Amino acid sequence: EIVLTQSPGTLSLSPGERASLSCRASQSISSSYLAWYQQRRGQAPRLLIYGAYSRATGIPERFSGSGSGTDYTLTISRLEPEDFAVYYCQQYGGSPLITFGPGTKVDIK
Amino acid sequence: QVQLVESGGGVVQPGRSLRLSCAGSGFIFSNYAMHWVRQAPGKGLEWVAVISHDGGISLYPESVKGRFTISRDNSKNTLSLQMNSLRAEDSAVYYCARDPIQGAPDYFDSWGQGTLVTVSS
Repeated sequence: EIVLTQSPGTLSLSPGERASLSCRASQSISSSYLAWYQQRRGQAPRLLIYGAYSRATGIPERFSGSGSGTDYTLTISRLEPEDFAVYYCQQYGGSPLITFGPGTKVDIK
Repeated sequence: QVQLVESGGGVVQPGRSLRLSCAGSGFIFSNYAMHWVRQAPGKGLEWVAVISHDGGISLYPESVKGRFTISRDNSKNTLSLQMNSLRAEDSAVYYCARDPIQGAPDYFDSWGQGTLVTVSS
C-alpha cells in the first residue's frame, strides 16, 4: 500500500516568500502519477498539478511541481494572499488506486 | 463551464441508508469517469468510489466496499452514491469529481461544492 507523507504539517510564511512543500511516498509512484490540490477554507479542492509537474488549466506559473520516484515537491515561487490554504498531494495508479497525503497548511506569518 | 452539483446529504442514524446525487453540466458527461471523494470535518481527503464513463466498471477502497454503490445515468448527466449500513466514521462532506483521463483512475480536474453527511443517533 502506498502511503503519502507531507511535510511540514504547517508552513508559516509571509506574502512574497517562496514556499516548498514536500510529499514523500512509501514506495515509488509509477510514471510520476502524482497530483497536487489547493483547498481554501470552506471550498472544494482545486487541481494545481498533475503528472508530478504539469500545471492544470488556469493555474498561475508561480506554482510548479517536481520530483520522481518517492519524493515530490510543490513550489510556490512568490506567495500571494490567496495562496494561504491547505495543499494535498495525491497518487494514482498505485495500490490502493488513489490515496491522498494528510496535507500541508500554508498560513500567514 | 464545467459544473458539478451534489445533493442528498443530511443527518442519518447509524445503520441506515442514504443516496447522494451529483448533476453534471457544461461538458459531455458520458465521456468521463466520475468519482466520489469525502472529507471528514477538519480532516483530509479520502477517495470513496469511481465509475467508468459507461458505467461498466466501478471500484472502491476497502473502507466502503460492500456498503457503498456508485452508479450513473448518462441520459440524465447524473452520478449517484448509494450508502448503506452507515457508520459514524462515514460522516463527511462528499464531493463528486471528474476524472479527465479515460482508462485507469487518475486525478480530479473538477469538483462539486460538496454535500454534508452526518451519521448520528
